[in-house]
Amino acid sequence: EVQLLESGGGFLQPGGSLRLSCEASGFTFSNYAMSWVRQAPGKGLEWVSGISGSGLSTYYADSVRGRFTISRDTSKNTLYLQMNSLGAEDTAVYYCAKDYSSSAVGGSFDLWGRGTLLTVSS
Amino acid sequence: SYELTQPLSVSVALGQTARITCGGIIIGSEIVHWYQQKTGQAPVLVIYADRHRPSGIPERFSGSKSGNTATLTIFRAQAGDEADYYCHVWDNDTAVFGSGTKVTVL
Repeated sequence: EVQLLESGGGFLQPGGSLRLSCEASGFTFSNYAMSWVRQAPGKGLEWVSGISGSGLSTYYADSVRGRFTISRDTSKNTLYLQMNSLGAEDTAVYYCAKDYSSSAVGGSFDLWGRGTLLTVSS
Repeated sequence: SYELTQPLSVSVALGQTARITCGGIIIGSEIVHWYQQKTGQAPVLVIYADRHRPSGIPERFSGSKSGNTATLTIFRAQAGDEADYYCHVWDNDTAVFGSGTKVTVL
């Protein structure tokens, strides 16, 4: 079955760090670019970061650049998001999403995970 | 950062046609995608590359673009179409989502 499964969310205090994971199955992971998209409670979708199929090219939203790092491990079919210096504004459900047809970022997202919730609060 | 403007809400009678717009100055030069998100669920791609439907999406969903506005049209609206809908473009290697439109089927 083609699917994405996120994990790693939780409750953190401001300033903390966390790594999210997204395990992919049912498709050739390295053939597709991947992204992280988040959704704050009651709010819309916000793209966070993207990575090419090879892992050599990475991209970030201005709101997380310098604090978050996206990476992927093809041997484990897993996408990661390392998040540092977390603040309340990072509270959201984090989804991983697969590019529809390309190893380069820039397309639509045809497969989404169920999301993992991160809550940052003191 | 670049912004895409969507109406906050759209109401449509059962069986009628709903139109959701997405406006922005670069819409005319960028490829637009659309997602449906039902309450408590992950988004689902319903239109990609302006007007193409992924496998499994009903023909009732249609995408179009004119000038700086993209439109998602839902023909013969059903109760199951109630959801939030988001447009999406890429701008200089950054993905941008519209603000989202809540569709209510009356």
